[in-house]
Amino acid sequence: DTTVKQNPRYKLARVGKPVNLICSQTMNHDTMYWYQKKPNQAPKLLLFYYDKILNREADTFEKFQSSRPNNSFCSLYIGSAGLEYSAMYLCASSRGGTLYFGEGSRLIVV
Amino acid sequence: GDSVTQTEGPVTLSEGTSLTVNCSYETKQYPTLFWYVQYPGEGPQLLFKVPKANEKGSSRGFEATYNKEATSFHLQKASVQESDSAVYYCALSDQRGSALGRLHFGAGTQLIVIP
Repeated sequence: DTTVKQNPRYKLARVGKPVNLICSQTMNHDTMYWYQKKPNQAPKLLLFYYDKILNREADTFEKFQSSRPNNSFCSLYIGSAGLEYSAMYLCASSRGGTLYFGEGSRLIVV
Repeated sequence: GDSVTQTEGPVTLSEGTSLTVNCSYETKQYPTLFWYVQYPGEGPQLLFKVPKANEKGSSRGFEATYNKEATSFHLQKASVQESDSAVYYCALSDQRGSALGRLHFGAGTQLIVIP
């Protein structure tokens, strides 16, 4: 089973409110990633966990938080959503460099 | 920094015709190159990857050659089918080991195949 599951699939949030997106995988992969995808733009890496070590990209360092309470789960947390956070958020886990993506969580901020 | 540029879509083709999606990249490292495909309603999935220069990757009738001199990795298929309709992403990683999945993607090329 190479399934990565994301919840919720769709999220409507108010400006200034927090957002928490969840990702799970049962493949025992040691690395999990979060990418942000906006229309007509390339997917952009936000952060990734290797085991329990969090690596955040420099240009999004202060905008996103994450936690990984165990090997299977990883969350993406936005403390105060702004309109610019509206996007598709793609979670992935990896083995041998191959990314296995979930179906994505579409966030709309109003 | 690293960057990937690919054919802007959408690309609309009739079944049975040939496909080329151009992909060019910039990096100062020695990248691994990837093509991912995303079908409607699904997440992206790996089509194939090529870690070494001048080698070819292939899957499902698609192929691409890692051309280090031209810094290109163009995707080709001789005869497309309606089921190939999807978004195709070119990507590179300049990392190794556990960070190999740290990818720089192109913006994606939507392919529409008309029966």
